[in-house]
Amino acid sequence: DQQVKQNSPSLSVQEGRISILNCDYTNSMFDYFLWYKKYPAEGPTFLISISSIKDKNEDGRFTVFLNKSAKHLSLHIVPSQPGDSAVYFCAASASRGFGNEKLTFGTGTRLTIIP
Amino acid sequence: ETGVTQTPRHLVMGMTNKKSLKCEQHLGHNAMYWYKQSAKKPLELMFVYNFKEQTENNSVPSRFSPECPNSSHLFLHLHTLQPEDSALYLCASSQDRQGGEKLFFGSGTQLSVL
Repeated sequence: DQQVKQNSPSLSVQEGRISILNCDYTNSMFDYFLWYKKYPAEGPTFLISISSIKDKNEDGRFTVFLNKSAKHLSLHIVPSQPGDSAVYFCAASASRGFGNEKLTFGTGTRLTIIP
Repeated sequence: ETGVTQTPRHLVMGMTNKKSLKCEQHLGHNAMYWYKQSAKKPLELMFVYNFKEQTENNSVPSRFSPECPNSSHLFLHLHTLQPEDSALYLCASSQDRQGGEKLFFGSGTQLSVL
């Protein structure tokens, strides 16, 4: 049973437009969410995170939105650039009383930015 | 050299071979992890070490044997693997084993079992 779901395996967006990647979760104990980005032949790298006490976190072109009632989060990239083409993983953890071993990942969304 | 380094990058082995994957982190972190990534599946946590002590074994078959001689090095010893074990094996580290602590990943070892 997948507790973190990324239902879109792939997404193509025109350069300069907004990319929106979605993630749904089922475990109401999750209270910390992270996005990782992975290029081919490299390991995932941390991109941005959000705790459940917030509903938005912004870092430059990247913004993560959290809707706790819907158990949904999204990553917005604007404007999208060719270097953003990668696989994006959503991850969630129940931070209180648990260690990182409880970090649960989604299957990833492959984002392709079209020049 | 900085970050998390994994060797080898690629490995092909027969089912009767014994091989080892190596991971080294230069970040001064206290926790290290092995993850498995199979095609179209989420990253699966295999093992966690915190201050050299194994704190999690996520129901991994005994043909995978981890070793953590110190906080900077982590090995995954492989023995009598099956073709379904073919996957990308990722090592990661974090400052501590706190919930939500961000992980730093190596580039992975792409393993093929014939």
